[in-house]
Amino acid sequence: SQTIHQWPATLVQPVGSPLSLECTVEGTSNPNLYWYRQAAGRGLQLLFYSVGIGQISSEVPQNLSASRPQDRQFILSSKKLLLSDSGFYLCAWSVLQTQYFGPGTRLLVL
Amino acid sequence: QQQVKQSPQSLIVQKGGISIINCAYENTAFDYFPWYQQFPGKGPALLIAIRPDVSEKKEGRFTISFNKSAKQFSLHIMDSQPGDSATYFCAANRGSTLGRLYFGRGTQLTVWP
Repeated sequence: SQTIHQWPATLVQPVGSPLSLECTVEGTSNPNLYWYRQAAGRGLQLLFYSVGIGQISSEVPQNLSASRPQDRQFILSSKKLLLSDSGFYLCAWSVLQTQYFGPGTRLLVL
Repeated sequence: QQQVKQSPQSLIVQKGGISIINCAYENTAFDYFPWYQQFPGKGPALLIAIRPDVSEKKEGRFTISFNKSAKQFSLHIMDSQPGDSATYFCAANRGSTLGRLYFGRGTQLTVWP
């Protein structure tokens, strides 16, 4: 069966510090991978998606970037965090039309 | 532009009642319509999904009704329970986009005991 992992689960970072969130998927090959952000009590904002290694599409130009160094690894990064980067970050994968979400990372920028 | 519009934003239902959440879409190329359930602090989980070749799909207390001509679909939760209290998202996509989903803004459901 397929499993998706995200870490860390919770992160508190100062403004201006770098960020690296990691997502890995097990039990499937060549998945499409997605990063979403969810503000408190709000909807799902698609940030990036990837259909293969090194292939990244950005949905919203902002302070974040994504990379896919391996088939089942997706990384979300920032060089300098802003207060507005706080939120709940979700990674998801799909092979066909159904997306499956990870447990999420709660990021608080102070 | 919001590709999928969801209503209501919040819903309060008495235990045992029927919860109804509605979604509408514009893109007639959409051919897959899932619903996700999200509890606080957790990732959304796939609840039920439908394709436009059927008008209704039922799984336990959860039913999707689909109206292709009106470009609308809805989630019905029968015999609503306090444990159903969560945020529900409708979504849509088309096969050519390989899984890229367009989500509604979500409905926060509260079921009072």
